[in-house]
Amino acid sequence: EVQLVETGGGLVQPGGSLRLTCVVSGFTFSNYEMNWVRQAPGKGLEWLSYISGSSTTIYYADSVKGRFTVSRDNARNSLFVQMNSLRAEDTAVYYCARDFGGSIGFDYWGQGTLVTVSS
Amino acid sequence: QSALTQPASVSGSPGQSITISCTGTSSNVGSYDLVSWYQQHPGKAPKLIIYEVNKRPSGVSNRFSGSKSGDTASLTISGLQAEDEADYHCCSYAGTPYVFGTGTKVTVL
Repeated sequence: EVQLVETGGGLVQPGGSLRLTCVVSGFTFSNYEMNWVRQAPGKGLEWLSYISGSSTTIYYADSVKGRFTVSRDNARNSLFVQMNSLRAEDTAVYYCARDFGGSIGFDYWGQGTLVTVSS
Repeated sequence: QSALTQPASVSGSPGQSITISCTGTSSNVGSYDLVSWYQQHPGKAPKLIIYEVNKRPSGVSNRFSGSKSGDTASLTISGLQAEDEADYHCCSYAGTPYVFGTGTKVTVL
């Protein structure tokens, strides 16, 4: 069974940092591209970042470029996002999502982890 | 990339059909047959229900169908059921690579 589990969310002050982790199981992690997607309270989904299976290709949304860094450890079946210079508008539920492949979309999602940026 | 435009809400009675639009531009929806749709119940993670404009993953009801014309993609739910009440999000490949829609709340009357 494919599973994705995000951890690391919590309350952080504006300007602070947080690192989210997504641990996966049930599939060969290194064979799949992965993404981070977030959802602010009461809002729609926002794609944030993409990383290829070998980490050679990485993309970011303009809203987080220069502040967020995505990485992965295929030996540990883990996906990460380091979030720096956090702002109130970064408050959201953060999901990791497996890429279907071929730019088709996302076939499996984690349950999400809530990040709240507030003083 | 700006978010794709969806109606904020759509409603229908049980058994009816409803259609949700997803309008983009020639840089995303209009250029690629790579539109996907996701169903999200409150407090839950999104679930893929349509990919590549009109394909259904295994296990997804055939009451869900997708189409595209120009810069606008559409999701149709036929034979509306109470369990279809949820938020629906479209997504398109956009070269960067993805952009989501603004989301639509479907209410079953």
